[in-house]
Amino acid sequence: DVKVTQSSRYLVKRTGEKVFLECVQDMDHENMFWYRQDPGLGLRLIYFSYDVKMKEKGDIPEGYSVSREKKERFSLILESASTNQTSMYLCASIGGGVSNQPQHFGDGTRLSIL
Amino acid sequence: GQQLNQSPQSMFIQEGEDVSMNCTSSSIFNTWLWYKQDPGEGPVLLIALYKAGELTSNGRLTAQFGITRKDSFLNISASIPSDVGIYFCAGRRTSYDKVIFGPGTSLSVIP
Repeated sequence: DVKVTQSSRYLVKRTGEKVFLECVQDMDHENMFWYRQDPGLGLRLIYFSYDVKMKEKGDIPEGYSVSREKKERFSLILESASTNQTSMYLCASIGGGVSNQPQHFGDGTRLSIL
Repeated sequence: GQQLNQSPQSMFIQEGEDVSMNCTSSSIFNTWLWYKQDPGEGPVLLIALYKAGELTSNGRLTAQFGITRKDSFLNISASIPSDVGIYFCAGRRTSYDKVIFGPGTSLSVIP
């Protein structure tokens, strides 16, 4: 089975801090994704990466950046955290190429910005 | 951007009842996915559908890929308390496209 691991289940940070959310997958997947989930808004795509050192903006990239230095690891960075970035963050991965395979998700990181 | 609509937004049902929910799109999709998210957890894939008209079961769950390719349905038979959670539909128009998620249907089961 695919295993997608997010480093923290719960995280509390202060406004203005630089925040790193880490995600690791163990299936050699090319594609990795970061979503945020808010009540009533469903899952919204922040950034995705289809290969090492490659990244693409999703639907709501503002205030975020990402890093993909190794294939198995995809990091989400909040450069200067703000209270409106309090949310549940979900990482997902999927194999590469032309594929209809579904995404596999991590357990999520619930981030609170005070 | 592309939106998926899920109906109903929330449901409160008695244990043992059957459940039906659906998902619609304004575009044709070639893949439909159904996920369940337990409270405090990430979404877990329930069923994947790849062909118009396809009907696929996973235990008490049955999902169908609509003939028009613009909708999908999920049914849960004889609901139990552990069915509680948020059910997300997701779809992809082509194999090159990103997956798009619906807003979710929240299911509560009353023992």
